[in-house]
Amino acid sequence: GQSLEQPSEVTAVEGAIVQINCTYQTSGFYGLSWYQQHDGGAPTFLSYNALDGLEETGRFSSFLSRSDSYGYLLLQELQMKDSASYFCAVRDEDGGFKTIFGAGTRLFVKA
Amino acid sequence: GAVVSQHPSRVICKSGTSVKIECRSLDFQATTMFWYRQFPKQSLMLMATSNEGSKATYEQGVEKDKFLINHASLTLSTLTVTSAHPEDSSFYICSAPRDSSSTDTQYFGPGTRLTVL
Repeated sequence: GQSLEQPSEVTAVEGAIVQINCTYQTSGFYGLSWYQQHDGGAPTFLSYNALDGLEETGRFSSFLSRSDSYGYLLLQELQMKDSASYFCAVRDEDGGFKTIFGAGTRLFVKA
Repeated sequence: GAVVSQHPSRVICKSGTSVKIECRSLDFQATTMFWYRQFPKQSLMLMATSNEGSKATYEQGVEKDKFLINHASLTLSTLTVTSAHPEDSSFYICSAPRDSSSTDTQYFGPGTRLTVL
């Protein structure tokens, strides 16, 4: 079956850099997505990696290593508003339209 | 980016009643929509895949007679929680892929918080 593992919590200070790791196990792999969710809100799409390497979008970057079944989300110049849950996700291994989410990492940004 | 709306945002109902939640794609057509349930501090659990013009596909363990899904048009899917009970209280979120050929980018509705008394 499919599984994704990510740390349950990460704490960092404003202005710092934090990396949220995600390892996955799936027989059919199409790419790794990342979503952000603030308390009480809906998830919002952050990034998607289909190929190995680093994708940069402003303060957020996402990395993928297909050979290691591993990816990470890198958040730079942390701001208080970055405090949220971050989910990695993969497409259903059958190649269907379903998205499987990791358990989520709660990021706490301290002043 | 693509916008998905949900209505209502919050609903409180008595046990035994039915509640309908609407999910609309506002600026694109969605032949497929997804319904998730999320309990506090937990991940999103896929309940069912809503398909325009055909029956929904339910995940294992989700009662199709309890959670009725109708995808009446290319921009609207509805989830009806029938005979709701307190254990159905949760955050229900719909999503739709911007591109029907790839679901790697999902756009989520704002969610509906259901409280069953």
